[in-house]
Amino acid sequence: EDQVTQSPEALRLQEGESSSLNCSYTVSGLRGLFWYRQDPGKGPEFLFTLYSAGEEKEKERLKATLTKKESFLHITAPKPEDSATYLCAVRRVISGGSNYKLTFGKGTLLTVNP
Amino acid sequence: GAGVSQSPRYKVAKRGQDVALRCDPISGHVSLFWYQQALGQGPEFLTYFQNEAQLDKSGLPSDRFFAERPEGSVSTLKIQRTQQEDSAVYLCASSSWPSDTSYEQYFGPGTRLTVT
Repeated sequence: EDQVTQSPEALRLQEGESSSLNCSYTVSGLRGLFWYRQDPGKGPEFLFTLYSAGEEKEKERLKATLTKKESFLHITAPKPEDSATYLCAVRRVISGGSNYKLTFGKGTLLTVNP
Repeated sequence: GAGVSQSPRYKVAKRGQDVALRCDPISGHVSLFWYQQALGQGPEFLTYFQNEAQLDKSGLPSDRFFAERPEGSVSTLKIQRTQQEDSAVYLCASSSWPSDTSYEQYFGPGTRLTVT
């Protein structure tokens, strides 16, 4: 069964204090690892898709990286508006069937204090 | 263009009542997904439609849950005889996949269901 574990569960940073969030996964036939941001009372907002080990993607203060067992979301010089829950999800090949399902982790609640 | 919309945003139901939750996907998106998100958890897959065909309903928790997408656009998730354990946020997502290779799913704001 697919497993996606995110750590830490919660992280408090001071504005400007860079850090990383971790997403460890156990899945065979990975067909994509996805990062989403979720604000309170809203649906998840798509950030990145990573497909192969060594791949990196950046958007403003966020950079996502992927290895064969985990992904990191690096946050450089965060601002209070980066406060949100960050969700990681994996998609894998299912032999003989479709490959559309996403399996999500529980998320990391990031709080950035001014 | 417009994103995924869901209605109602909040629903309070008494135990035993039936509820219907609506999802309007992004125009032209072939794939539509329903997820259930409990407090403090990530979304969990419920069911998947490709156009009007429900290709997977393996995540539906019981036979009280039913989903449809009769014309391949708007979808409705119906819960019969609601129970307290059905209280959660129900999220709808749509994707242009498999019409193109972009698999990203775009989520609506969700419907928060509270069963009293």
